[in-house]
Amino acid sequence: EAQVTQNPRYLITVTGKKLTVTCSQNMNHEYMSWYRQDPGLGLRQIYYSMNVEVTDKGDVPEGYKVSRKEKRNFPLILESPSPNQTSLYFCASMENTGELFFGEGSRLTVL
Amino acid sequence: GNSVTQMEGPVTLSEEAFLTINCTYTATGYPSLFWYVQYPGEGLQLLLKATKADDKGSNKGFEATYRKETTSFHLEKGSVQVSDSAVYFCVFDTGRRALTFGSGTRLQVQP
Repeated sequence: EAQVTQNPRYLITVTGKKLTVTCSQNMNHEYMSWYRQDPGLGLRQIYYSMNVEVTDKGDVPEGYKVSRKEKRNFPLILESPSPNQTSLYFCASMENTGELFFGEGSRLTVL
Repeated sequence: GNSVTQMEGPVTLSEEAFLTINCTYTATGYPSLFWYVQYPGEGLQLLLKATKADDKGSNKGFEATYRKETTSFHLEKGSVQVSDSAVYFCVFDTGRRALTFGSGTRLQVQP
């Protein structure tokens, strides 16, 4: 089954404790991206990757890092989380047609 | 800069009512346009799309027409069902894979 898998789905952490949200897709898509969803703001793009070893900033990259060492994986790293990073995060990969396939989301709370 | 403006929700309708969710965009060039739907507790999924002016996208009874002259892509459905209750996002892609999302419109359909 074609899917995008994110982990963890839920996480409560404390300010400053590094964390990684993993994302994996099994569709061999070149393009992957991360978004955060906040009430009233829709989805905002954090980072995206056009292919292995190619990443670029989206609209709200501050406080986040990513890496793309393999085509299937695109982890999101929060080196020193802060409360304003409390949000719902989505990973997505894109087919050549332009259609995005989303993971189920990761709800992060930073205390 | 690029932007998408969607009508604010929530939109509350009775079953079998007619639905319109307005979407207008500001972008350079001629973007591809999409509507994505997010059901409760899930990630977004593609509902329909249009890639050039005057194209009509359709799926599950929903339709939207790419109007270049008014830079609009309004979503319509002739008869909504309770199962259509979700959040709907208007999205465009200028071709550089940096997608722009609207803020989302929550639809609530009552029996």
